[in-house]
Amino acid sequence: RKEVEQDPGPFNVPEGATVAFNCTYSNSASQSFFWYRQDCRKEPKLLMSVYSSGNEDGRFTAQLNRASQYISLLIRDSKLSDSATYLCVVSNTDKLIFGTGTRLQVFP
Amino acid sequence: NAGVTQTPKFRILKIGQSMTLQCTQDMNHNYMYWYRQDPGMGLKLIYYSVGAGITDKGEVPNGYNVSRSTTEDFPLRLELAAPSQTSVYFCASSIAGEYNEQFFGPGTRLTVL
Repeated sequence: RKEVEQDPGPFNVPEGATVAFNCTYSNSASQSFFWYRQDCRKEPKLLMSVYSSGNEDGRFTAQLNRASQYISLLIRDSKLSDSATYLCVVSNTDKLIFGTGTRLQVFP
Repeated sequence: NAGVTQTPKFRILKIGQSMTLQCTQDMNHNYMYWYRQDPGMGLKLIYYSVGAGITDKGEVPNGYNVSRSTTEDFPLRLELAAPSQTSVYFCASSIAGEYNEQFFGPGTRLTVL
């Protein structure tokens, strides 16, 4: 079983839609969780950290379910500029384990 | 601040050649990492360092070597390049380990022919 698993997509959604991504992780001892965004042929950049209580940043909401070992990302009112690959990231001791990413394509 | 810089941006190597990928950060971060990303795949950790003079293997270290003589620099050495090492290489740094955001350089696109 992979340490971090994501649906690769692509998710094709119209502008203004709400879209949700899920991610599961295998290491129950993981302490930190993140969503990174990676644009085509660019480096990954932090989108948001994920906290146990859930957290929101504008149109983006992240949730963590430790019991079921999954993380979610909800994007509301999708914009064309949200088109990218979203990487689920989970900690393992000194390191971060990156999922393979979920590709989102927002169309007009 | 320039953040994390990597050179070169692109490189084509012949099988058996060697090269060093350079990585420098100016944020005084203790932790530095090297990843490779194959097309359509996730990031795989090659080597990492928790401070000057300390390095450790990641998931895919074979065929690579690193050194960390200063806080700022973390070069990655490829010895005897093979086609399987064709990939995009990203260097990253963070203040500490798993609890902190990693900042990435722009990447080096390497092709081995």
